[in-house]
Amino acid sequence: DQQVKQNSPSLSVQEGRISILNCDYTNSMFDYFLWYKKYPAEGPTFLISISSIKDKNEDGRFTVFLNKSAKHLSLHIVPSQPGDSAVYFCAAWRSNDYKLSFGAGTTVTVRA
Amino acid sequence: DAGVIQSPRHEVTEMGQEVTLRCKPISGHDYLFWYRQTMMRGLELLIYFNNNVPIDDSGMPEDRFSAKMPNASFSTLKIQPSEPRDSAVYFCASSSDIQETQYFGPGTRLLVL
Repeated sequence: DQQVKQNSPSLSVQEGRISILNCDYTNSMFDYFLWYKKYPAEGPTFLISISSIKDKNEDGRFTVFLNKSAKHLSLHIVPSQPGDSAVYFCAAWRSNDYKLSFGAGTTVTVRA
Repeated sequence: DAGVIQSPRHEVTEMGQEVTLRCKPISGHDYLFWYRQTMMRGLELLIYFNNNVPIDDSGMPEDRFSAKMPNASFSTLKIQPSEPRDSAVYFCASSSDIQETQYFGPGTRLLVL
């Protein structure tokens, strides 16, 4: 049973516009959330994270928003660049066991 | 540091054959994780080790899968016998502590015919 869900398998966006990736989770015990980015033929790399005590975390062009009541988080990329074309994985863990649960990923394509 | 190293990068085998995937974690990292990526389920944690000791193998699909970590710089994931449904990309990751960032290897793409 997947506890972290990314319902959009793909997203296409114009260069310079905003990319919004969504993620939903079912386990209310998750207290830390992460986004990983993956290029073809490479392993995922950590991008940004947020603790459940916050509702927003920003790092340059990347901002993650957390809505705990809705069990929903999103990643905003502004402005989108061609190098952002990749697969983005949402992940979550509980601080009692720190096991990462990943979503299925969203493939982002940034059009020039 | 060279990062997490995995071998082979690609493996094609026939159903029933034994498959062994290898991983060298980042030096000094005490935690090692094995993941499997499929289109439908994304990344699934199979097993993780702390200081070479398996801590949680609840994600291992069945007895055909086994993992070992004989020393701090080497781990294997073995599938015996392999089946077509095992076809996936298998990632190894390591971290310095359980709550620290996990660094992933490039993955092994396995195809079982």
